[in-house]
Amino acid sequence: EDQVTQSPEALRLQEGESSSLNCSYTVSGLRGLFWYRQDPGKGPEFLFTLYSAGEEKEKERLKATLTKKESFLHITAPKPEDSATYLCAVLPSNSGYALNFGKGTSLLVTP
Amino acid sequence: DSGVTQTPKHLITATGQRVTLRCSPRSGDLSVYWYQQSLDQGLQFLIQYYNGEERAKGNILERFSAQQFPDLHSELNLSSLELGDSALYFCASSGWTSAAISGANVLTFGAGSRLTVL
Repeated sequence: EDQVTQSPEALRLQEGESSSLNCSYTVSGLRGLFWYRQDPGKGPEFLFTLYSAGEEKEKERLKATLTKKESFLHITAPKPEDSATYLCAVLPSNSGYALNFGKGTSLLVTP
Repeated sequence: DSGVTQTPKHLITATGQRVTLRCSPRSGDLSVYWYQQSLDQGLQFLIQYYNGEERAKGNILERFSAQQFPDLHSELNLSSLELGDSALYFCASSGWTSAAISGANVLTFGAGSRLTVL
C-alpha cells in the first residue's frame, strides 16, 4: 500500500533559524512528488514538483530535494510569513492522477 | 484566488440530513478531484472526474456521490450525514495534456467547504 509519512508533525523555529522537513514515501512506482503549502482555513497552494532522484527545486527561502525514498523541504532563514502547514504528496504510477497526501508538518516561525 | 470556486464556504446541518457541495474548476481544466480533510486523517482523496466521466475512486463512502456536469462544474452529494462527516471538503482541478502522462499534473485547490454535522 502506498504511504506518505511526514516528520516532524510540528516545528517551531525562530526567525532566521534554518531547518528541514522530511517526507518519506513508499509507492509502487513514483511519477512525481509534490509539495504544497496550506494556510489555516485555506486550500493547499502548490510549491514544487519533483520527478526523479537527485532533482532539486528552489523558490525564495525554500528548496526541495528528492531521493529514492524521501524528500526534504529545506527552509533557509525563515520569516514569520513562512508559518503554515507544509504538505507532501505523491503521484503513484497506478493511481490515475489523484495525489496521495501525507498529514503535513505544521511550521511556526516566531519573530 | 486560485480560480477554483467552491460553495458554500460553511455549512451546518444535522445528522441524517443530505447536503450538496459545489465546485467550479479553473477555466480550461477538465479534471475535478474531491478531497476530505479532517484533523486526524489529513487530506483523503474521494473521487476524480474527467470531462464528465468518473476516472478514479478513493476512500469515498457509499453515502457519498458526485458528478461532473457538461459545463464541467462538479457536485459532491453527502447523505445520511453522521457526526464523523464533519470536515473540510476540498475540490481541486487540473488540466489534461499528453505531458500529464509523465506526471506533470498539478492540482489547483479551492478554498474548501467546511461542513459541521451536529
